[in-house]
Amino acid sequence: DPKIIQKPKYLVAVTGSEKILICEQYLGHNAMYWYRQSAKKPLEFMFSYSYQKLMDNQTASSRFQPQSSKKNHLDLQITALKPDDSATYFCASSQDPRKDTQYFGPGTRLLVL
Amino acid sequence: QQKVQQSPESLIVPEGAMTSLNCTFSDSASQYFAWYRQHSGKAPKALMSIFSNGEKEEGRFTIHLNKASLHFSLHIRDSQPSDSALYLCAPGGNYKPTFGKGTSLVVHP
Repeated sequence: DPKIIQKPKYLVAVTGSEKILICEQYLGHNAMYWYRQSAKKPLEFMFSYSYQKLMDNQTASSRFQPQSSKKNHLDLQITALKPDDSATYFCASSQDPRKDTQYFGPGTRLLVL
Repeated sequence: QQKVQQSPESLIVPEGAMTSLNCTFSDSASQYFAWYRQHSGKAPKALMSIFSNGEKEEGRFTIHLNKASLHFSLHIRDSQPSDSALYLCAPGGNYKPTFGKGTSLVVHP
């Protein structure tokens, strides 16, 4: 059984629309993260959460908003989508962000037309 | 902000070769040093990690860490075609993980 679930697997959106990417982890971890990876840019850290609290935010744009309704959920809301937002978005988790391996979900591939 | 540099950017080696990948980092307070491997179209997956100076071996893979020189490396003995992937280093120990841009490794039969 997959331990980190990301939905949907693929997503096509039009410019200016809003989408929510879902992430749930069943590893019992305390920290969760969002990353973005595209052909133009390497793996890029976006957010980290610990016990449902935002720990760090490296995303300059307020169009990206993480949402944590439960300890093992960390969704990513993206508003006013742009073609440059096209990328694979990975959710990850770890037991202790200070000294622990991160486990990545399978990713959501987003294409903005 | 942590700066991470990986070298080389890409590498092609024959099957059976020893492969060495390098990672330098800027934050001397980093406490945790990991390597991840990402096969094409897949998510990154943790390979090995180390906390203290020295060497750690797991099967065909060995990590060397030298905190004083802000450098750690991954060595793959008897490289296999299945090792072909993007290798990412991640020095860390805080809530803001930093990954390198990666080394693309191709092992040809």
